Amino acid sequence: NAGVTQTPKFRILKIGQSMTLQCTQDMNHNYMYWYRQDPGMGLKLIYYSVGAGITDKGEVPNGYNVSRSTTEDFPLRLELAAPSQTSVYFCASSPLGEPLASYEQYFGPGTRLTVT
Amino acid sequence: DAKTTQPNSMESNEEEPVHLPCNHSTISGTDYIHWYRQLPSQGPEYVIHGLTSNVNNRMASLAIAEDRKSSTLILHRATLRDAAVYYCILNDNDMRFGAGTRLTVKP
Repeated sequence: NAGVTQTPKFRILKIGQSMTLQCTQDMNHNYMYWYRQDPGMGLKLIYYSVGAGITDKGEVPNGYNVSRSTTEDFPLRLELAAPSQTSVYFCASSPLGEPLASYEQYFGPGTRLTVT
Repeated sequence: DAKTTQPNSMESNEEEPVHLPCNHSTISGTDYIHWYRQLPSQGPEYVIHGLTSNVNNRMASLAIAEDRKSSTLILHRATLRDAAVYYCILNDNDMRFGAGTRLTVKP
């Protein structure tokens, strides 16, 4: 299993540009998540999904959009990039189980995004 | 939101045990205690979790206080590869990462 993969690894955007960060998992996990991590800080949840066709906002969703058309893929879309979105973005997944809190999350290697 | 308090940084010598503390005085009955670590330039990696009882796995041990208001992650023999930021997280279907403890391991 490759686990959780993310592309690209690095990207530089100009202010106002848009892009999609890709995330794929091959573990057949129902739950998928997008986090951002600013320098020296912990991770903050942007969006999450409990399965194909179902998404919900996390702690910091403004400026981002997501979709979940398949179990495997959970892309994150940035529209009108701003310098405040400069960060490292991590995708994660976890299996469906009860209670959810008893299951661990598996993280991808991250995408380092700079907006100038 | 239930929160955790961890020291900003700790140091250890290689091949010695390391005890990483975490306070969570506002923990609720349904919060699981999770520990993750993040090596430099990598995504977080799951270490261990528990609810009420102490837990052991191949990576570490988790000691949970009887009142659940604190816990300790124990690395039995630190190696240089254990140098990372360690996050203690209360998980009630919602994981909130704090700043964690930066562990330095000296050879």
